[in-house]
Amino acid sequence: SQKIEQNSEALNIQEGKTATLTCNYTNYSPAYLQWYRQDPGRGPVFLLLIRENEKEKRKERLKVTFDTTLKQSLFHITASQPADSATYLCALGIPTGANNLFFGTGTRLTVIP
Amino acid sequence: DTGVSQNPRHKITKRGQNVTFRCDPISEHNRLYWYRQTLGQGPEFLTYFQNEAQLEKSRLLSDRFSAERPKGSFSTLEIQRTEQGDSAMYLCASTLTGDTEAFFGQGTRLTVV
Repeated sequence: SQKIEQNSEALNIQEGKTATLTCNYTNYSPAYLQWYRQDPGRGPVFLLLIRENEKEKRKERLKVTFDTTLKQSLFHITASQPADSATYLCALGIPTGANNLFFGTGTRLTVIP
Repeated sequence: DTGVSQNPRHKITKRGQNVTFRCDPISEHNRLYWYRQTLGQGPEFLTYFQNEAQLEKSRLLSDRFSAERPKGSFSTLEIQRTEQGDSAMYLCASTLTGDTEAFFGQGTRLTVV
């Protein structure tokens, strides 16, 4: 069966440390993968997109890697801040007619001051 | 343009009633998606429009659900004869093309009592 698993429901880290979130998938062949941030009661907000032929993408304090052999993406937030506390969702982009996104269940990150 | 707009933000209805939600996408985006999100889960794809054509519907979308996008602008999602299991956050997203970032609205939180 098809699965998208994010490493844990919740992750607590100390301010200033690097947070690493994991997204593993099975029985999918995504053309790209996206990461979104979601705050309580709000819609997801796009952060980064990485395509299947790319190994790594960076944006400010964010870095995402994509390993299609391992079927895994890692999402890093360096120098984490309490304002980074949120749920982070990975989403696989599947090249069907709709090109819709298949989301993981998310990891709730809490950065402790 | 202020992004994707959804109305209402919250809706409480009695079981068996019909409800309708509205989504106004970003004006130049021709692709519009509806998702449903329950607590602790990622968004699940419901249906997709390219301009005014509804091109794909998920098996999650029972006969009680119908969506329209007249003239390829705003979209409505109607749920007839609501059930308690319909309680969820209904999210709308729009994109410019099929493999770029999705812009989500703030969602409509439906509670069926």
